[in-house]
Parts: sequence; structure tokens; C-alpha cells
Amino acid sequence: EPEVTQTPSHQVTQMGQEVILRCVPISNHLYFYWYRQILGQKVEFLVSFYNNEISEKSEIFDDQFSVERPDGSNFTLKIRSTKLEDSAMYFCARSSATGPSYEQYFGPGTRLTVT
Amino acid sequence: RKEVEQDPGPFNVPEGATVAFNCTYSNSASQSFFWYRQDCRKEPKLLMSVYSSGNEDGRFTAQLNRASQYISLLIRDSKLSDSATYLCVVNGDQTGANNLFFGTGTRLTVIP
Repeated sequence: EPEVTQTPSHQVTQMGQEVILRCVPISNHLYFYWYRQILGQKVEFLVSFYNNEISEKSEIFDDQFSVERPDGSNFTLKIRSTKLEDSAMYFCARSSATGPSYEQYFGPGTRLTVT
Repeated sequence: RKEVEQDPGPFNVPEGATVAFNCTYSNSASQSFFWYRQDCRKEPKLLMSVYSSGNEDGRFTAQLNRASQYISLLIRDSKLSDSATYLCVVNGDQTGANNLFFGTGTRLTVIP
């Protein structure tokens, strides 16, 4: 099955700025997820999104983060007031249905560098 | 608390060798288990789901032991292209949870 595409592939921003990372579904998926991976560390769950609403979020996903699907197509992750420790790969994933048994497929990621 | 633990390796094996990776998970309520592979600076790619009865896909065999909370992956006849980091992945700790918990991965290098 096709995965998702993500833009940009690399984003460099200054500390304190806001960034928007985009996930573009190839077909009409309903279930989306954001994960991040700090260099050299494990992949960590941020948030899951279903039917235009957040269904689960982790402790990492605090008020600094938000997600939305503004035009019914692109799925965005907004990070406000970026910090140095936000530097990481951010992966969007999708699944064909919700529930623990459904497999998740990852996009190529956006590398965020906060300077 | 580490939800998923793996031996980080690295494992360096010659072509044609058989190699096994092990993983343990902490939450007995977890329902779904997966192996992903990740190449350097790339996204995780699903290798296979792991079922209670065990499952095989070509050279790859996965096993699950719920009583011991232990998952394994066996790779037979290793190829150079198998060189990657293998991630043990378990679903979240709530009923119906969609989030995945990843291990830190086991690095495999297949040597010519």
C-alpha cells in the first residue's frame, strides 16, 4: 500500500520560531499519526488523529504542539516557539483503520533543525 | 520504565549466516507486535507483524511468547541488503490504543 509524503524534507529554523510540518496522504486515509525520532534515539509517539480529531496523544505532545487537517487533505503538525531539543526527525504515519492490530506505514520524514 | 527493550548490537555477520534478534516488552496488556527495519536516516518500514502462532515470510521468521513477554526475529541466509536497524514495536498500553512503542533497535551489518 502507498504511504504518505511529507514536506519539507528538511526544515531549519531559529529557536523561538514556529514551524509547520506537512503530511500529504496519497489516497483518502482517515487515520494519521505523528512520531518523532531524536538523532540516535528511539522513535516516539506524539499524537494520533482520526476523523479530524485527536484520538490519543503522548506526554510529549504538550501545548507547544498542535495538529490539524485544514483543507481536508494535508495533515499538519505545528510546533510553536521551537526549542533546541525539538531538533529531530518527524514522521507522519497512516493506517487503513484504527485499532492496535492495524499496521502503520511511515512517510519519509521531515528533518527539523533548530538553531 | 522501558516499554520495549532490545539488545542494541551491533551484530556483524557474514553473508549467508542466520541471525536472531530478541526483544522484551513490559506491558502484558499489549495486543499487537511488529518488526520494522530502519535504514540510516530513513523512515521505519514495516517488515512483518508478529502473531501468537508465529509467522514466516521468506527468510524471516517471527515468534511471540506472551507468557514471557518476548518477541524474536530470525533471519536466515543473510543478504548484504539486510544490513539495517531492526526495530521491535509494540502497541500502546490501553485497550484499543493506536500508539506504537518502539525499541531502540538492533543494528545488523552483513559482511561480504
